[in-house]
Amino acid sequence: QSVLTQPPSVSAAPGQKVTISCSGSSSNIGNNYVYWYQQIPGTAPKLLIYDNNKRPSGIPDRFSGSKSGTSATLGITGLQTGDEADYYCGTWDRSLTAEVFGGGTKLTVL
Amino acid sequence: EVQLLDSGGGLVQPGGSLRLSCAASGFSFNTYAMAWVRQAPGKGLEWVSTSNSGGFRAYYADSVKGRFIISRDDSKNTLFLEMNSLRVEDTAVYYCAKCTVTSAGGGFDSWGQGTLVTVSS
Repeated sequence: QSVLTQPPSVSAAPGQKVTISCSGSSSNIGNNYVYWYQQIPGTAPKLLIYDNNKRPSGIPDRFSGSKSGTSATLGITGLQTGDEADYYCGTWDRSLTAEVFGGGTKLTVL
Repeated sequence: EVQLLDSGGGLVQPGGSLRLSCAASGFSFNTYAMAWVRQAPGKGLEWVSTSNSGGFRAYYADSVKGRFIISRDDSKNTLFLEMNSLRVEDTAVYYCAKCTVTSAGGGFDSWGQGTLVTVSS
C-alpha cells in the first residue's frame, strides 16, 4: 500500500492528452514539492517534473505538472508511442521522515 | 554530464551481507544529498535511504532500518550501501540517485543504471 495514490493505468490515442493524478496528505504533498518520474520498462527512472511544475532541461513542454492542496497531476499532451511507460509521483513525507512514491501508473498509447 | 555507476549486486543467501557502491562523476558530489531507491521485480519504486551532503545525517525506510547503512566517501565521489541480515523481500534492483538539493526531501534528478540484488537460498 503506497502512501501516495495513483491510478494503476491510463490510456489514450496518439496525439491525445492524458492526465495522471497523485493523491496524498498534508504531511507529504500538502507541504512539500512533488516530483514526477518516467520509467520505460527495463531502464532507470528519469525525472520529468520537479518542484511541482518545473521541467528539467531536455524534457519537452508536452509534459506539465500541477499541484493543488494534497493532490498533484501530471499532464501529457500530443501523446506519442514513445511515451508508453510507467509514471511515478514522489515527495517527502514529514511525518514519516521518508521519501514516498506513488504506486505507479502504466500509460498505454493505443 | 552527470554519471552514476552502480555496482556490487549479486546472489546472497538469507541472513547474508552485501555492499553496494555508486561511483559518481560530472557534478560536485560533496554538495548534494545522495540516495538509494529499489524496485522489486514487477513492483514500483521504494525509497531505501538518503545521506545528506557531508554524510552527517542519514534517513532510512522502516523496512531497512537497523539492517542497512548508507555512507559516502566524498574524496572518491562514491556512495555506499552496506546491507546486512538480508531477507528474501530485499530482492530488487537497487538504484543510486542524486538528490536535487543538499538534504533529503528534494527529489532525484539523476539515476544510476541499477544493480540487481537477489536474496535466495
